[in-house]
Amino acid sequence: KAGVTQTPRYLIKTRGQQVTLSCSPISGHRSVSWYQQTPGQGLQFLFEYFSETQRNKGNFPGRFSGRQFSNSRSEMNVSTLELGDSALYLCASKQGASSYNSPLHFGNGTRLTVT
Amino acid sequence: GESVGLHLPTLSVQEGDNSIINCAYSNSASDYFIWYKQESGKGPQFIIDIRSNMDKRQGQRVTVLLNKTVKHLSLQIAATQPGDSAVYFCAESNFLQGGSEKLVFGKGTKLTVNP
Repeated sequence: KAGVTQTPRYLIKTRGQQVTLSCSPISGHRSVSWYQQTPGQGLQFLFEYFSETQRNKGNFPGRFSGRQFSNSRSEMNVSTLELGDSALYLCASKQGASSYNSPLHFGNGTRLTVT
Repeated sequence: GESVGLHLPTLSVQEGDNSIINCAYSNSASDYFIWYKQESGKGPQFIIDIRSNMDKRQGQRVTVLLNKTVKHLSLQIAATQPGDSAVYFCAESNFLQGGSEKLVFGKGTKLTVNP
């Protein structure tokens, strides 16, 4: 089974621009979560989608948004980029609503650099 | 809070030795815990998990111990190999309003295995 696939792997953007990151979950997985990883804050939860619905969102500004499609693929969008948005963005998928017996599987992330 | 690079705890061991990585968690209501391994340039990789109704769980060369009294987890790696060099994160599962779940990650420990 193919793992979680994230594209692109690297991205360089300028302050004020917007960016869209893409994630293809493991086949059969209906839940997709996004995490931001920075040296200063570590791994932080952004949001989770399950069956095309955002189930919850972490403590991030409204510039961060996402969506999930009927095939479970997900995108996240960051608008009006700031320097502090530079980070590794990780997508993770799991089969059901709970991690019990189906832990989160992560992709290798998209490294976003904002200049 | 201050945003500087996380000063990761580090552990340096000789190849063939056993390694013990410790983690303190914050939420006494958390009932599911996971250890992840993150190699350079990759996303976190699932290692082993444990539910709160267990004190110990063993996998291949790895053992997780849970002490709910002091909210402490440990990961033991037997016969550590150079390929075990990575950053190790513990994560606790928190269920949110609406049935969503998020993982709260620890700050990580960098394990270096010397040949």
